[in-house]
Amino acid sequence: EPEVTQTPSHQVTQMGQEVILRCVPISNHLYFYWYRQILGQKVEFLVSFYNNEISEKSEIFDDQFSVERPDGSNFTLKIRSTKLEDSAMYFCASSATGHSVDTFGSGTRLTVV
Amino acid sequence: AQSVTQLDSQVPVFEEAPVELRCNYSSSVSVYLFWYVQYPNQGLQLLLKYLSGSTLVKGINGFEAEFNKSQTSFHLRKPSVHISDTAEYFCAVSDQSSASKIIFGSGTRLSIRP
Repeated sequence: EPEVTQTPSHQVTQMGQEVILRCVPISNHLYFYWYRQILGQKVEFLVSFYNNEISEKSEIFDDQFSVERPDGSNFTLKIRSTKLEDSAMYFCASSATGHSVDTFGSGTRLTVV
Repeated sequence: AQSVTQLDSQVPVFEEAPVELRCNYSSSVSVYLFWYVQYPNQGLQLLLKYLSGSTLVKGINGFEAEFNKSQTSFHLRKPSVHISDTAEYFCAVSDQSSASKIIFGSGTRLSIRP
């Protein structure tokens, strides 16, 4: 069964450093998303991406965050200068239709120290 | 704005017993409704979704949910659970006009006792 692949599974970074989280969505999907879950809290929407541009973003997704589809297969989330409060599990997801987010990756656990 | 309330943070049941995980939502607009499951150390997997049509929705692994508009509920049920159903279950809602922005509940941890 097709799946969304995220790498790395766990990343530790120092506060202030840039980090890039990588995702390979399902190949025929057109809509891409990032969500995150801070430990003990709800899963939160960050951003959606379609046709090479951001279609929607949350208040969390400030200027420190950016997304990119650098080639035909990868979808990345960059955090420019990480803060302690960015520590969370980050989930990538993709959808064929945009009506529902059917498939999430297994997540990247980001720890900022 | 939408919100989702999962009333039970943990639900312990015996194997082969029925289970219901409760979910209520609030929204001023028409919504899509979802249940996701997260097995230990894995990502979120879509169990089932209500977009339109029949209010009884059947999903994977024998789960089903019923959309009740008057009670703003979308409870998840399974008539007989297995040890393998042990996981965290998330109810979620999205605005039909902004379907990518899914609002999640806080989750219900289902633990199955032999």
